[in-house]
Amino acid sequence: ETGVTQTPRHLVMGMTNKKSLKCEQHLGHNAMYWYKQSAKKPLELMFVYSLEERVENNSVPSRFSPECPNSSHLFLHLHTLQPEDSALYLCASSQGDTGDIDTGELFFGEGSRLTVL
Amino acid sequence: GQQVMQIPQYQHVQEGEDFTTYCNSSTTLSNIQWYKQRPGGHPVFLIQLVKSGEVKKQKRLTFQFGEAKKNSSLHITATQTTDVGTYFCAIRTGANNLFFGTGTRLTVIP
Repeated sequence: ETGVTQTPRHLVMGMTNKKSLKCEQHLGHNAMYWYKQSAKKPLELMFVYSLEERVENNSVPSRFSPECPNSSHLFLHLHTLQPEDSALYLCASSQGDTGDIDTGELFFGEGSRLTVL
Repeated sequence: GQQVMQIPQYQHVQEGEDFTTYCNSSTTLSNIQWYKQRPGGHPVFLIQLVKSGEVKKQKRLTFQFGEAKKNSSLHITATQTTDVGTYFCAIRTGANNLFFGTGTRLTVIP
């Protein structure tokens, strides 16, 4: 148990479907992350939120839409995905940055395994 | 963007042999982290190195940060089957971004 919970653990969707991945952290952290892990690009950073504000978007296609309603919850809304989007989507949290101080370790959830048909 | 090269991509060792994975950056790093991901699992933090030339040990694992803070290594002495997994280095750019290396997948043959 890492303190970061992701649901669903497995998801199969068609290219025309709309679904959402959910992440919840119980660690009191201020920063949350979405990573995509596939055979081609292990652990690819997608989005970063710090204090509920998005601070990084690494050129992710608009068919992926993140939402961070509060510091404990993070969503990844999916629509009109492509088969190449099939991957393991990992959520993580960290203490978060305070000024110039480097943040510490990332705590990962178990991941959501997404298959796009 | 910031990139870190990690080698080798794969490593097969006989149980009891040593193992080393390396991370190299073209720019000076403020710090570097190491993670381990077991097969079917998620990455788990191992350690963070901050100081130039720093060496840290965790039982059979030895972590080093280069003098120029551009490279790092993870060395495992006398591997065991429990060491199986993928080892990632990760570097931080900006306030909250953590970029991972490509990982080294370790297989330990009993």
